[in-house]
Amino acid sequence: NAGVTQTPKFQVLKTGQSMTLQCAQDMNHNSMYWYRQDPGMGLRLIYYSASEGTTDKGEVPNGYNVSRLNKREFSLRLESAAPSQTSVYFCASSDAEGGYTFGSGTRLTVV
Amino acid sequence: QKEVEQDPGPLSVPEGAIVSLNCTYSNSAFQYFMWYRQYSRKGPELLMYTYSSGNKEDGRFTAQVDKSSKYISLFIRDSQPSDSATYLCAMMLSSGYSTLTFGKGTMLLVSP
Repeated sequence: NAGVTQTPKFQVLKTGQSMTLQCAQDMNHNSMYWYRQDPGMGLRLIYYSASEGTTDKGEVPNGYNVSRLNKREFSLRLESAAPSQTSVYFCASSDAEGGYTFGSGTRLTVV
Repeated sequence: QKEVEQDPGPLSVPEGAIVSLNCTYSNSAFQYFMWYRQYSRKGPELLMYTYSSGNKEDGRFTAQVDKSSKYISLFIRDSQPSDSATYLCAMMLSSGYSTLTFGKGTMLLVSP
């Protein structure tokens, strides 16, 4: 009964460092998403994957890349982290009806 | 005008009160409407899901959609301290391959 699992839960990076946020779902959902959540800004879509083998940009894609590794896994990569990328990152997945299941989030601080 | 507007609150009520949370939207093409609850330092969880106009009830929660006014509501009866959370409205053009558009969330505080 894991749902959507995100790793790591917390991370501190120095400016310019790179890292990959991992996400895996066990609900056989086709679609997966990456959001960032900032105070006063709400949830903003970074990238999404409607189905295995496809990825599309969301509202705030700059500075990020994604990989849909297989149906279960969708990773988010920061190539050169900047302080503006300090945020809470959420991965989500959905079935054909569209209700999203979210992971518990990754709290990222870039110093 | 933002696509989905939601008062950020906080909304403070005593235990047992009826709570009304609301969102307005500008895109008349939205067909699917949802409410998510997010506890502090947790991910959002789906609370209510409705299609088109009308009401849906689940226990103490009732979701209302008025497409003619582009207005959706979530009512919580007999509110409990455990209902203290941020409530996000979300909407979608069509099911399957459409992404959700979220409101920024309303923080609700229910005091014992």
